Amino acid sequence: IAGITQAPTSQILAAGRRMTLRCTQDMRHNAMYWYRQDLGLGLRLIHYSNTAGTTGKGEVPDGYSVSRANTDDFPLTLASAVPSQTSVYFCASSEREYNEQFFGPGTRLTVL
Amino acid sequence: GQNIDQPTEMTATEGAIVQINCTYQTSGFNGLFWYQQHAGEAPTFLSYNVLDGLEEKGRFSSFLSRSKGYSYLLLKELQMKDSASYLCAVIIDDYKLSFGAGTTVTVRA
Repeated sequence: IAGITQAPTSQILAAGRRMTLRCTQDMRHNAMYWYRQDLGLGLRLIHYSNTAGTTGKGEVPDGYSVSRANTDDFPLTLASAVPSQTSVYFCASSEREYNEQFFGPGTRLTVL
Repeated sequence: GQNIDQPTEMTATEGAIVQINCTYQTSGFNGLFWYQQHAGEAPTFLSYNVLDGLEEKGRFSSFLSRSKGYSYLLLKELQMKDSASYLCAVIIDDYKLSFGAGTTVTVRA
C-alpha cells in the first residue's frame, strides 16, 4: 500500500452501538489527524496525534476517542454512537507540524 | 472561535480565470493551505503560503496578505477537470488546521 487507508468505506450503525474507524499510513509520518466533514461546515478536527504515544483534542472531540500505539495506526472510536455523528470521516497524516496533510479516502458513517 | 470565509459557489467557462477569495480571523496563524476536493473524494494539497506574496505553481497561484487576513487562489486556463471544491485552511496551532466551508467551482464548456 502507498499512502493512507481507511476502513470501512461506509457503515450504517444503530444509535448506541460502539464503532471503531481504522486508519493506517505507510509514509512513516509523525503526525496523524481525524476530521469529520459535514455539508456547509467544512472539515473539522476531532483529534490529532503528533507522535506515537501522544494524542490531543481538536475542535469537536466530544463522543470520540483515539489511540496511537504505533506510528502507522490511528483508530477513532465512537463509544456510543448518536445520529449527530452521521458524517464523512477523513484520516490524514503529515510528516510534522506545518507540513501538508495527506488524506485518506474517507469513511461514510450513518447513525440511525 | 475561528472565522474563515469563502464564497459558497463560483461558475466559470472553460479556458477562463477564476479567483477564489478567503478571509480569516483566527486565534493564531502559522500558514495557510489550499486544498482541492473532487466530489466523493479526499482533499488533495494545492498550495501553502506562510509569507506575504504570490506563490505560483503551474496553472494555480496562491496569494497571502497576513496584515489583511486575506488569501486567494487563482485558477488559470480552466479545464473541466477543475470542477471541484476548493478549501482554504489556516494553521492556527502547531498541529491544528481550521478549514473554511469550501468553494464549489463549476466549469462550463
